[in-house]
Amino acid sequence: GDSVTQMEGPVTLSEEAFLTINCTYTATGYPSLFWYVQYPGEGLQLLLKATKADDKGSNKGFEATYRKETTSFHLEKGSVQVSDSAVYFCALPRSGGYNKLIFGAGTRLAVHP
Amino acid sequence: DAMVIQNPRYQVTQFGKPVTLSCSQTLNHNVMYWYQQKSSQAPKLLFHYYDKDFNNEADTPDNFQSRRPNTSFCFLDIRSPGLGDAAMYLCATKGSGTPSYNEQFFGPGTRLTVL
Repeated sequence: GDSVTQMEGPVTLSEEAFLTINCTYTATGYPSLFWYVQYPGEGLQLLLKATKADDKGSNKGFEATYRKETTSFHLEKGSVQVSDSAVYFCALPRSGGYNKLIFGAGTRLAVHP
Repeated sequence: DAMVIQNPRYQVTQFGKPVTLSCSQTLNHNVMYWYQQKSSQAPKLLFHYYDKDFNNEADTPDNFQSRRPNTSFCFLDIRSPGLGDAAMYLCATKGSGTPSYNEQFFGPGTRLTVL
């Protein structure tokens, strides 16, 4: 069945460091791929998405490229800030309609000044 | 402008005492979802609506019920909360039209404590 695997956290970085959070997936066909972010005590927000192979989603300095060959959608940011501290979820819609999402386990990012 | 609103943000109930969580949306979306999220875990889908058509996930306990009286409002009822039901409950809607047709829009969540 469809699944999402994310690297385990927590990830602890200093401000201005480079960030990579790995995400790989198993799916039927070529679904859209998403990264959601959850700040402490809040709901999830869509960070970025890609709808087809080789698409690059980007937002707030974050980027992720839909790689069909490696079934990956790794999240990257060149220079993290303290305000990026949050939990990041990779997700894809499972087959069957209604866009029901399969989430990865989430990766907690802590950025220190 | 808040688009998916959940009330209350924090809810405390007693073991076995029924509780209702509320969600409203200003987006006029047809599809709404309820998720349960326990500490340090991913959200788990409980059920969803397409308009008034209710769809339960196979592993959602009978203790969880839902009502959607109109497009804007959706309620989660927990008939007899147990300690294991303490969690964050998230409401979401499914986008429509381009480019947000396959996106989900989440509310801020209600954190439920069971004493």
